[in-house]
Amino acid sequence: DAGVIQSPRHEVTEMGQEVTLRCKPISGHDYLFWYRQTMMRGLELLIYFNNNVPIDDSGMPEDRFSAKMPNASFSTLKIQPSEPRDSAVYFCASSFTAGNNQPQHFGDGTRLSIL
Amino acid sequence: AQKITQTQPGMFVQEKEAVTLDCTYDTSDPSYGLFWYKQPSSGEMIFLIYQGSYDQQNATEGRYSLNFQKARKSANLVISASQLGDSAMYFCAMAPNNDYKLSFGAGTTVTVRA
Repeated sequence: DAGVIQSPRHEVTEMGQEVTLRCKPISGHDYLFWYRQTMMRGLELLIYFNNNVPIDDSGMPEDRFSAKMPNASFSTLKIQPSEPRDSAVYFCASSFTAGNNQPQHFGDGTRLSIL
Repeated sequence: AQKITQTQPGMFVQEKEAVTLDCTYDTSDPSYGLFWYKQPSSGEMIFLIYQGSYDQQNATEGRYSLNFQKARKSANLVISASQLGDSAMYFCAMAPNNDYKLSFGAGTTVTVRA
């Protein structure tokens, strides 16, 4: 079975440019999560969706960040305009359901560098 | 807010030996789930093992086992018969009752020596 698929694996772009990260969750999973990993702050939850609906975006750092899930098999995380401090590894994860007994399965991440 | 503490930033272990990674947590919820993830140098996050707060027995998955001590609020991961491929960062995480939010510890880097 295919796992969570993220693209691109690496992205290097200039400050001020728009960045779009993509995620395809595991088929049948109805929860999708976006995380950011940095050395300073570790792994942080940015936003999560249930059945394509955003449920909690309290972790989104600023209005420059936005996320969408137009259908059950695709989600995007967009940064516009990007800044050097957005450089991090961004993970997408999905689970069959939320709750304290369901593991979240992660994609390979997108390593983002903003110059 | 939930707090996960991993006090060992890095550990070395000899191949074929066992290693224990410490994890303590702080929560007032009676029901919660504990997870361990592995992150190799290639960067992906791999789910290893789960323990529920009401589970009577310690979880095991192959060479991974979880030493769960509820009263002490600890959930230590034991890797038996270490292999070179076990060299990675290991994260402890917790989800409180009926909550989506995984809180992660800072991680422990394990290096297996031949």
